[in-house]
Amino acid sequence: KQEVTQIPAALSVPEGENLVLNCSFTDSAIYNLQWFRQDPGKGLTSLLLIQSSQREQTSGRLNASLDKSSGRSTLYIAASQPGDSATYLCAVYLRAGGTSYGKLTFGQGTILTVHP
Amino acid sequence: DADVTQTPRNRITKTGKRIMLECSQTKGHDRMYWYRQDPGLGLRLIYYSFDVKDINKGEISDGYSVSRQAQAKFSLSLESAIPNQTALYFCATRTGQDDTGELFFGEGSRLTVL
Repeated sequence: KQEVTQIPAALSVPEGENLVLNCSFTDSAIYNLQWFRQDPGKGLTSLLLIQSSQREQTSGRLNASLDKSSGRSTLYIAASQPGDSATYLCAVYLRAGGTSYGKLTFGQGTILTVHP
Repeated sequence: DADVTQTPRNRITKTGKRIMLECSQTKGHDRMYWYRQDPGLGLRLIYYSFDVKDINKGEISDGYSVSRQAQAKFSLSLESAIPNQTALYFCATRTGQDDTGELFFGEGSRLTVL
């Protein structure tokens, strides 16, 4: 059974800091890994999608890396801003055989607060 | 306008009532999904559909049914709502024709069953 763990559970930083969020998974037979942010009472916004064959993806101040062999992904946020405050979720999509749908497993999330 | 729209956004109902949550998308994606989110349990898959004629149960489909009325519309029904179906429900779509595409979520429908 795929387990996805996100560390830390919560993080509070001053504006301007660079920070790293961690996501680990137990089964390396993944299709891809996707990072989302969720604002309170809102839906999930896709940040970055990394395919199993890729090592990293970048979008603006965000950089996500993937190390399948060690079962880890990190989300790096540069020069954090108060608007970055949200819950960050990683989701790992596990391969399935044949035409079966694989299993998408979400981590519990990291609650990020960036204070001015 | 949102690419994935869910209605209603909030609903309070009583045990035993029939409830329908609707989802429509303007992204032209074939693959659509319904998830529920509960504190401490994360997101869990209820049903998924790869096209209008292909609908499949997810990990927690008991007590739910779905209808894919068109490529752009995917509805979730609770035939007889019960309190433990109180949750935040999300519709999602996925790009592409396989499982490597990016997931896009709606804003969510908060359902409370009294």
